[in-house]
Amino acid sequence: AQSVSQHNHHVILSEAASLELGCNYSYGGTVNLFWYVQYPGQHLQLLLKYFSGDPLVKGIKGFEAEFIKSKFSFNLRKPSVQWSDTAEYFCAVNADNAGNMLTFGGGTRLMVKP
Amino acid sequence: EADIYQTPRYLVIGTGKKITLECSQTMGHDKMYWYQQDPGMELHLIHYSYGVNSTEKGDLSSESTVSRIRTEHFPLTLESARPSHTSQYLCASSSRREAFFGQGTRLTVV
Repeated sequence: AQSVSQHNHHVILSEAASLELGCNYSYGGTVNLFWYVQYPGQHLQLLLKYFSGDPLVKGIKGFEAEFIKSKFSFNLRKPSVQWSDTAEYFCAVNADNAGNMLTFGGGTRLMVKP
Repeated sequence: EADIYQTPRYLVIGTGKKITLECSQTMGHDKMYWYQQDPGMELHLIHYSYGVNSTEKGDLSSESTVSRIRTEHFPLTLESARPSHTSQYLCASSSRREAFFGQGTRLTVV
């Protein structure tokens, strides 16, 4: 069965530290990849997405993600986190050969200490 | 701004009551989803739909039911609410290249 794994469930960083959140998926074929963020008490918002082309994708608020097809990964990065980045981050994948149904990872809770 | 709406935003209801959570989208997306999420926890897919007259159960077993009579509308119904149903319910819709979430309904069953 298709699945999406986020191995870091909880991450605690100090402000200005660099961030990398892992995301791996188990689909074959053509995939579309997303990262969503959920700030405390708010709904999920799209951070960035990848469909094709340059595997390094830049999103909002200084986030970026790199698609590495050979590793089935789509890790999220930010060079210098801020306290306002404290949130839950979800990786999601849909696959052209799976009806493009969206599957989410379990989420990573990031806490940034001021 | 995404055009997907959930009502009500908050609901406190007594045990045994029947409730329907509404979800509507104006983007013409075929695929719609219901997720259950406890605070700070992962998203659990409870129902999804490929399109009109299509409904499927998700990964997490749920006593709720859904219907998809119109493309834009995907309501979720609990015939008899119980305290164990207390949670946040998130509706989403997607096409191949985009997915949007509603604001969620926070349900409390007392």
